[in-house]
Amino acid sequence: RKEVEQDPGPFNVPEGATVAFNCTYSNSASQSFFWYRQDCRKEPKLLMSVYSSGNEDGRFTAQLNRASQYISLLIRDSKLSDSATYLCVVNTKTGGFKTIFGAGTRLFVKA
Amino acid sequence: NAGVTQTPKFQVLKTGQSMTLQCAQDMNHEYMSWYRQDPGMGLRLIHYSVGAGITDQGEVPNGYNVSRSTTEDFPLRLLSAAPSQTSVYFCASSYSNGGGAFFGQGTRLTVV
Repeated sequence: RKEVEQDPGPFNVPEGATVAFNCTYSNSASQSFFWYRQDCRKEPKLLMSVYSSGNEDGRFTAQLNRASQYISLLIRDSKLSDSATYLCVVNTKTGGFKTIFGAGTRLFVKA
Repeated sequence: NAGVTQTPKFQVLKTGQSMTLQCAQDMNHEYMSWYRQDPGMGLRLIHYSVGAGITDQGEVPNGYNVSRSTTEDFPLRLLSAAPSQTSVYFCASSYSNGGGAFFGQGTRLTVV
């Protein structure tokens, strides 16, 4: 089982739609959680951190459920510019400090 | 605003050649890491370092060496390049307290 698993996608949505990405992680000792965005042939860039209390940044909302070891990202009112791959990321200190990336979910937003 | 700087951006090697991918960060981050990204595989951790003088293996370390003599620099050495090492390589840095990572622009390596 992979340490971090994501919906494989791709997700194809029209502009203005709401889309949700899910992610699960296997190490219960994981300490911090993030969503990254990666555009085609570019480096990953930090989108937002994820907290149990939930956090929102404009049209983006992230949520962590530690009991279920589950992370989510919700994008409201999708824009064409949201088209990218979204990566779920988990930091853990078990056996040394590591940052583990999910394989990513590809999003296509169409006019 | 340099952030994380990787060089070179592109490289073609012949099988058996060696080379070093350079990575430098100017944010005084303790944690640095190298990933490779292949189609359909996502980012896989090669080696990482939690501070100067300390390195450890990630998920796919074979064929690669690293060293961390300073906080700023974390070079990745390919000892004897193989076609299986054709990939995009990313260097990243972050604070070891679990903050988000910053990435370099990547190195596209082709081994023929």
